[in-house]
Amino acid sequence: GDSVTQMEGPVTLSEEAFLTINCTYTATGYPSLFWYVQYPGEGLQLLLKATKADDKGSNKGFEATYRKETTSFHLEKGSVQVSDSAVYFCALTDQGGKLIFGQGTELSVKP
Amino acid sequence: NAGVTQTPKFQVLKTGQSMTLQCAQDMNHEYMSWYRQDPGMGLRLIHYSVGAGITDQGEVPNGYNVSRSTTEDFPLRLLSAAPSQTSVYFCASSYTRGIERGYTFGSGTRLTVV
Repeated sequence: GDSVTQMEGPVTLSEEAFLTINCTYTATGYPSLFWYVQYPGEGLQLLLKATKADDKGSNKGFEATYRKETTSFHLEKGSVQVSDSAVYFCALTDQGGKLIFGQGTELSVKP
Repeated sequence: NAGVTQTPKFQVLKTGQSMTLQCAQDMNHEYMSWYRQDPGMGLRLIHYSVGAGITDQGEVPNGYNVSRSTTEDFPLRLLSAAPSQTSVYFCASSYTRGIERGYTFGSGTRLTVV
C-alpha cells in the first residue's frame, strides 16, 4: 500500500537557522501531498499542500515542492523561529481518498 | 462554523469498560476518518467513511467499531478497553471532490486505559 517516510527527529535548531525535513513517499498513481503541523497540546493544522508534480506549496515561510522523479516532498524554511517548534507530519491522500501519514518529526527551535 | 468537534477531550477508563468517542462536523463533508496517535508511530488510520451508511477498516481497526448514520456524525466505539488503546484519538473530515484540499482535524481525545 501507499506509505510515507520522514526523517527521524527530534531536530534541534537555533533561531534563524535553515530547516529541511525530508519526506519521501510510495504511492500508486498521483497522490496529493501535504504537510501538517501540530503545536504542543493541539490538533493538526494543514500547513501546505501540492496536488501535482512540480507544484510548490507554501505558507508562513515554509515551502515544499512535489518531486515526482524522486518521490519526495521535503519541507524547508529559510529562517526558523522559536514559535515554529512543533511536530511536522508529511502525508498523502491515496486513490481512495484516505490520508496516510509519516511518523512525524519533532522540531525544537532554541533562542 | 464549528468545524470538527470531538468529545470528550480527556477520558480515563478501566480495562474492560466500553465507551464511545464522539465526532461531529458541520461542513457537509463526505469523508470522515478516525486516527490514533502514539509516540514515534505518527497517526494511524483506524476506520474511515466515504459517506453516510458506508464505513471501512483502516490500518488498526481491531477493538474499535464505527457507524455513520448521518453525514455529520462519526462515533468511534471501544467495545472492551485495553491498556494498548491508551492513545490520543483524532477525528478528521474532508470533501470528496475536494480531497486535494486536505482534511480538517478535531482537537483530539486523550484516552487512558488503566
